[in-house]
Amino acid sequence: AQSVSQHNHHVILSEAASLELGCNYSYGGTVNLFWYVQYPGQHLQLLLKYFSGDPLVKGIKGFEAEFIKSKFSFNLRKPSVQWSDTAEYFCAVNAPTDSWGKLQFGAGTQVVVTP
Amino acid sequence: NAGVMQNPRHLVRRRGQEARLRCSPMKGHSHVYWYRQLPEEGLKFMVYLQKENIIDESGMPKERFSAEFPKEGPSILRIQQVVRGDSAAYFCASSPQTAGANVLTFGAGSRLTVL
Repeated sequence: AQSVSQHNHHVILSEAASLELGCNYSYGGTVNLFWYVQYPGQHLQLLLKYFSGDPLVKGIKGFEAEFIKSKFSFNLRKPSVQWSDTAEYFCAVNAPTDSWGKLQFGAGTQVVVTP
Repeated sequence: NAGVMQNPRHLVRRRGQEARLRCSPMKGHSHVYWYRQLPEEGLKFMVYLQKENIIDESGMPKERFSAEFPKEGPSILRIQQVVRGDSAAYFCASSPQTAGANVLTFGAGSRLTVL
């Protein structure tokens, strides 16, 4: 079955450490890719998106992601995390055969940043 | 701009009762989407609606679940004869009429607990 896989369910790291969250998908063709973040008690917010063009995408709050088509990957990175980055992070894909707005989400990665 | 408004935020029902969840999209948005998040899982697409039309209901369970987005008023997700397995967070999202470069804006979710 086609899917979106996030490699880690839980990540714990210290402030100032670098963060990389993996995301792989199994859909062929042209896909639209997203990373969403859900801070404790809040709604999902868009961090960044990729539709076309430069495969290195910059988002809000210092996050970036790289689309590697040959690897079907869209990994999220931040060079130096802060305590306020503690949240759950979701990778999502809009597959070419799906209607707009129908996103396939990964299971999420819970990130805890310790002071 | 109030964003996507969902209510109630928390709803408790006993098995066999009905649950109604409401979603008011962002001002200017005419597309509404419902997603469900089960414990320890990512969000799963349920249905995509425009005013008075269901566009894609491929993620809706075949029985007991229905959704509408009337000409006036909020979108409603209705679950009849709830069972314990319906306990989940239900998220609504909206987007503007123009597809393509636009993304979903999510509400804070409605958490349903079935006793």
